[in-house]
Amino acid sequence: DTGVSQNPRHKITKRGQNVTFRCDPISEHNRLYWYRQTLGQGPEFLTYFQNEAQLEKSRLLSDRFSAERPKGSFSTLEIQRTEQGDSAMYLCASSGPGTGTYEQYFGPGTRLTVT
Amino acid sequence: AQSVTQPDIHITVSEGASLELRCNYSYGATPYLFWYVQSPGQGLQLLLKYFSGDTLVQGIKGFEAEFKRSQSSFNLRKPSVHWSDAAEYFCAVDTGTASKLTFGTGTRLQVTL
Repeated sequence: DTGVSQNPRHKITKRGQNVTFRCDPISEHNRLYWYRQTLGQGPEFLTYFQNEAQLEKSRLLSDRFSAERPKGSFSTLEIQRTEQGDSAMYLCASSGPGTGTYEQYFGPGTRLTVT
Repeated sequence: AQSVTQPDIHITVSEGASLELRCNYSYGATPYLFWYVQSPGQGLQLLLKYFSGDTLVQGIKGFEAEFKRSQSSFNLRKPSVHWSDAAEYFCAVDTGTASKLTFGTGTRLQVTL
């Protein structure tokens, strides 16, 4: 098991551009989560999927943000018309079925810098 | 809504000394509780968890945590700190729905040699 992977690890973009991040969860995990972490803060929940269904979205997820998990495997998080306030670390986590449902395993994150 | 408080932003301990990191939560029932560690440039690694049962739980890397319902606390401890333990530590709660974790703001641990 290679763990949760995220790509790219770093992204620098200009304000107003669109960016897309990818997350590949642990293969047998059916739940996938996105969090955002800014400097000096703990991660904040953005959204989560069970299989391909997006079951909850945070108020933090403005209409410029969209997440998908089309086949219940990998997920993408897109930010349209990026703003400087979007600069943060975007973390993906996954959790397994059964007793593992509550244990979230995190990827290394994608650090976004908006200039 | 649930919340997590980690009162200590930054703690410095000497290598070999004992460690206790504080975590208090606010939630109407007993939540599921977690401690994660984050090293610079790394993702979060799960140290230990509490769901029910024995209130003293053991985790990886020699860490343990004790759940105290009366104090709404879940403090992390280690008897002897190693220099490699320097990192940021986050306490988190799940309300039992496995829908999301709510994190504290973290405690940065510095270890002096």
